[in-house]
Amino acid sequence: NAGVMQNPRHLVRRRGQEARLRCSPMKGHSHVYWYRQLPEEGLKFMVYLQKENIIDESGMPKERFSAEFPKEGPSILRIQQVVRGDSAAYFCASSPPNGGEEQFFGPGTRLTVL
Amino acid sequence: AQSVTQLDSQVPVFEEAPVELRCNYSSSVSVYLFWYVQYPNQGLQLLLKYLSGSTLVKGINGFEAEFNKSQTSFHLRKPSVHISDTAEYFCAVILNRDDKIIFGKGTRLHILP
Repeated sequence: NAGVMQNPRHLVRRRGQEARLRCSPMKGHSHVYWYRQLPEEGLKFMVYLQKENIIDESGMPKERFSAEFPKEGPSILRIQQVVRGDSAAYFCASSPPNGGEEQFFGPGTRLTVL
Repeated sequence: AQSVTQLDSQVPVFEEAPVELRCNYSSSVSVYLFWYVQYPNQGLQLLLKYLSGSTLVKGINGFEAEFNKSQTSFHLRKPSVHISDTAEYFCAVILNRDDKIIFGKGTRLHILP
């Protein structure tokens, strides 16, 4: 059973470009969470999604950031018009449909904005 | 609101010595408690979790943690560390199942030869 997959693992963008980060949850999991790890800081929650629904986006910046988890395909975290401060590691986690305390993390996408 | 405090940002310890990484949490209600480990340039791996029951929880790689409700602590311990334990350790809480995880800022464990 493959774990949570994220791609790309490393992404370099210039200021003003768009970044798209993908997350495929573990097989059978329908809950997806995105977290951001800024340099020298811990991980901060961004958004919680279930298939076709955003459940909690309280951690998402108000502008430029959006997330989706369509019926088919991976979850996408989209950052428009990236700025240097968006440089961070972005982690996706998933949990099963019957709920659970444990979230299983992917390897992360390290975004560098030049 | 819930919060997690890891008092030490870095902990150096000699190989084969014992280690304790401290974690305190703040919450007015019961929470679920976790310790995660992040090896360099990798994702997070669950070390152990406390949901209910026995306050002493054993995890992978010889780690254990003790839940202390009166002190709102969940310190992580290992009796003898190995060079391979070099990593960053995160204490975390959730309020309910399916809830977002609230992480501490992490403690970097440096193993000295």
